Amino acid sequence: GAVVSQHPSRVICKSGTSVKIECRSLDFQATTMFWYRQFPKQSLMLMATSNEGSKATYEQGVEKDKFLINHASLTLSTLTVTSAHPEDSSFYICSASTGGAAGANVLTFGAGSRLTVL
Amino acid sequence: LAKTTQPISMDSYEGQEVNITCSHNNIATNDYITWYQQFPSQGPRFIIQGYKTKVTNEVASLFIPADRKSSTLSLPRVSLSDTAVYYCLVGPHFGNEKLTFGTGTRLTIIP
Repeated sequence: GAVVSQHPSRVICKSGTSVKIECRSLDFQATTMFWYRQFPKQSLMLMATSNEGSKATYEQGVEKDKFLINHASLTLSTLTVTSAHPEDSSFYICSASTGGAAGANVLTFGAGSRLTVL
Repeated sequence: LAKTTQPISMDSYEGQEVNITCSHNNIATNDYITWYQQFPSQGPRFIIQGYKTKVTNEVASLFIPADRKSSTLSLPRVSLSDTAVYYCLVGPHFGNEKLTFGTGTRLTIIP
């Protein structure tokens, strides 16, 4: 089946530094990937839609200058958290659409990246 | 995008059948219903998808009534490893349509 690889799985950084998270589709091409953020005991919150070769589409309330998304190829999207602060500490998850048996696409998710900002 | 409503939490004993219902009153004609499972500190995992009537795979069944305003995920003979959060998503699922998650149902299996 389709696999989405996300790296790193865990990262700890100092406040003010930037962190890059990679999301790769291993056995399929993904023109679009999605980035979610999840706080403890809460649901996934869609942050942005990453489009290959064009600018990402951000959800309302998500700072595009803080969460930089680059989708330079059909198999790789990156999320860079710039000038990270403790409130950015969260679980970040990427996903991509793949074909489903029922005829519609389903989402394949990466394993997630836990960011801790000290 | 159709909004979904699920119970926040459910408990069940091992070996029981568990049914989790999701309400989606404003589902559109081209919307599909998909369920995902999420364990702590992991990304969600696809369980099952359907459009109408009943769908069954090796891990679950999905029941969708004729009006499609709700759906029920059925997990047969649950075990402790089924303790997870279950999300019901409704959307066109065509191409690269974005999907938003509802609250999900936190299922706890009791030994």
